[in-house]
Amino acid sequence: AQSVTQLDSQVPVFEEAPVELRCNYSSSVSVYLFWYVQYPNQGLQLLLKYLSGSTLVESINGFEAEFNKSQTSFHLRKPSVHISDTAEYFCAVSASRWHGNKLVFGAGTILRVKS
Amino acid sequence: GAVVSQHPSRVICKSGTSVKIECRSLDFQATTMFWYRQFPKQSLMLMATSNEGSKATYEQGVEKDKFLINHASLTLSTLTVTSAHPEDSSFYICSARTPTSGAPDTQYFGPGTRLTVL
Repeated sequence: AQSVTQLDSQVPVFEEAPVELRCNYSSSVSVYLFWYVQYPNQGLQLLLKYLSGSTLVESINGFEAEFNKSQTSFHLRKPSVHISDTAEYFCAVSASRWHGNKLVFGAGTILRVKS
Repeated sequence: GAVVSQHPSRVICKSGTSVKIECRSLDFQATTMFWYRQFPKQSLMLMATSNEGSKATYEQGVEKDKFLINHASLTLSTLTVTSAHPEDSSFYICSARTPTSGAPDTQYFGPGTRLTVL
């Protein structure tokens, strides 16, 4: 079975400052990793994913995450945040695309960007 | 992109009544839909996987007789919470997967339904 730990429930940060949202996972098999974002009163949206290949993955709005197998981590980073990045961010893991595509989610981290 | 809707967005009911929550894929056909439950400040927990035209597959610990799932068409799945009790109060979220890909990243999520049982 897989599990995901998001170490911070809330992260306050000032606008234009860098941010890192931490995610660690445990699994006995190879995994795929995801970050989803949920804006207020909206559904979850896929932000970025790691399936294979380069361990550094990027989103279109400036976020990036790096898969670190030895540390079983997939931390999300952005060098300069905007007010519009305020949302809840969920890290998720899937053991294999052939195992029913089940996603296991972390508890979420609320990113609050202050002006 | 693909849009998934849920109805209602919020529902308050009395203990002992049943509540139906609808999940619709608005612009694509979904052979598979997933139902999740989220408690405050906790993870989304997968409750069941619903495939169109067949019985749902429930996760361990989820009572199938209490949480009835019907996936009668390629665009609609319903979750009925039967004989609801206050401990069933939660945020229920559905997702839908398109039939053309086996990759997990093709799950599209609804906005969720807040159920409060008095």
